[in-house]
Amino acid sequence: KAGVTQTPRYLIKTRGQQVTLSCSPISGHRSVSWYQQTPGQGLQFLFEYFSETQRNKGNFPGRFSGRQFSNSRSEMNVSTLELGDSALYLCASSRGPGQGIFGANVLTFGAGSRLTVL
Amino acid sequence: GNSVTQMEGPVTLSEEAFLTINCTYTATGYPSLFWYVQYPGEGLQLLLKATKADDKGSNKGFEATYRKETTSFHLEKGSVQVSDSAVYFCALSDGRGGSQGNLIFGKGTKLSVKP
Repeated sequence: KAGVTQTPRYLIKTRGQQVTLSCSPISGHRSVSWYQQTPGQGLQFLFEYFSETQRNKGNFPGRFSGRQFSNSRSEMNVSTLELGDSALYLCASSRGPGQGIFGANVLTFGAGSRLTVL
Repeated sequence: GNSVTQMEGPVTLSEEAFLTINCTYTATGYPSLFWYVQYPGEGLQLLLKATKADDKGSNKGFEATYRKETTSFHLEKGSVQVSDSAVYFCALSDGRGGSQGNLIFGKGTKLSVKP
């Protein structure tokens, strides 16, 4: 079956612009999480969505936002880009709560969207 | 707060050498523990997991045992191959608030295996 699809794979923006990244989860997965990966900070949790509702949010400024649609696809938006926002943004999907003890927290990651802010 | 500490890399080994990547954690309650692997240009792939103390996760020759008494989840492989070259991440989830998508990752350990 198709994996987690993230678009675009690469993009370049300038400071002050905004960007929207898209994530299509595995069919049947209803939970989507977003992570930021940088060389300095490593992998940091941004937010998690399930059934179009944000369930959890990491410690990022309000410039970072997201949403989930009824088909479980998700988007994240970063407004007023800063140089420090340059990173690989990873999306991960899972079946969601109640997926069973053996399936606990099994996230499937996409290949990521690499954002460069100039 | 919860955290994961894993050994700094890079780690360079010869093919067929024994691999250990140390991982320790700090968490309240009973977290689930994971090892993920990231190959160049790709996203993370789940390598193995353990959901309770003394569980041993294993996959593709890799093993890790959930040791609550030492709060550790060290990754081991008896004989590495060139194809194992990648970055390895230790992670935990405490499932706070019913959330299952919030993993706390270590900084990652880059492994290079030479022929």
